[in-house]
Amino acid sequence: GENVEQHPSTLSVQEGDSAVIKCTYSDSASNYFPWYKQELGKRPQLIIDIRSNVGEKKDQRIAVTLNKTAKHFSLHITETQPEDSAVYFCAAFDYKLSFGAGTTVTVRA
Amino acid sequence: DGGITQSPKYLFRKEGQNVTLSCEQNLNHDAMYWYRQDPGQGLRLIYYSQIVNDFQKGDIAEGYSVSREKKESFPLTVTSAQKNPTAFYLCASSMGRHGEQYFGPGTRLTVT
Repeated sequence: GENVEQHPSTLSVQEGDSAVIKCTYSDSASNYFPWYKQELGKRPQLIIDIRSNVGEKKDQRIAVTLNKTAKHFSLHITETQPEDSAVYFCAAFDYKLSFGAGTTVTVRA
Repeated sequence: DGGITQSPKYLFRKEGQNVTLSCEQNLNHDAMYWYRQDPGQGLRLIYYSQIVNDFQKGDIAEGYSVSREKKESFPLTVTSAQKNPTAFYLCASSMGRHGEQYFGPGTRLTVT
């Protein structure tokens, strides 16, 4: 089955700086890669996703890149703000969603 | 967000008791899912259902059971056979298997 690895497990950035989270996947058949943000005690919420026929997608301060050959994808958050502090999960879909272990992002004011 | 609900928010049970977690959606989604979340880990799939009266085991189905008698509802029963049931349980739904998954608010189950 699909195995998704996510790095780093924790990330602390100064407000205004960029944050990058990287994920790798094992199943070349995976074709959909969402990113979820989860605040403490809350439900995960989709923030951006990318499908395998696209290399990059951007939505305001958030962007995702996908390298199908290397089987990795990354989340980029620019101009970080305190409200970006949360746990971020990547996932890959082959016949089901498989999640990474999560990255706890802390934005320091 | 508001179209998928889970109840209760917190649930406490004694060891050896079965407990059923509720999940309801009014999004007209065909597919529904149950995940378990433990501290420091990602979400792990317990069961999923793509259509009424049909469901499949996920990665960690042992000790759990589900039913899908109605499109809107996908209850999860945590049985006494589940060795470590204390966790945060999340239900999700999607229009089709390949669609965006929307999560419910979760139920935190504590078994002592």
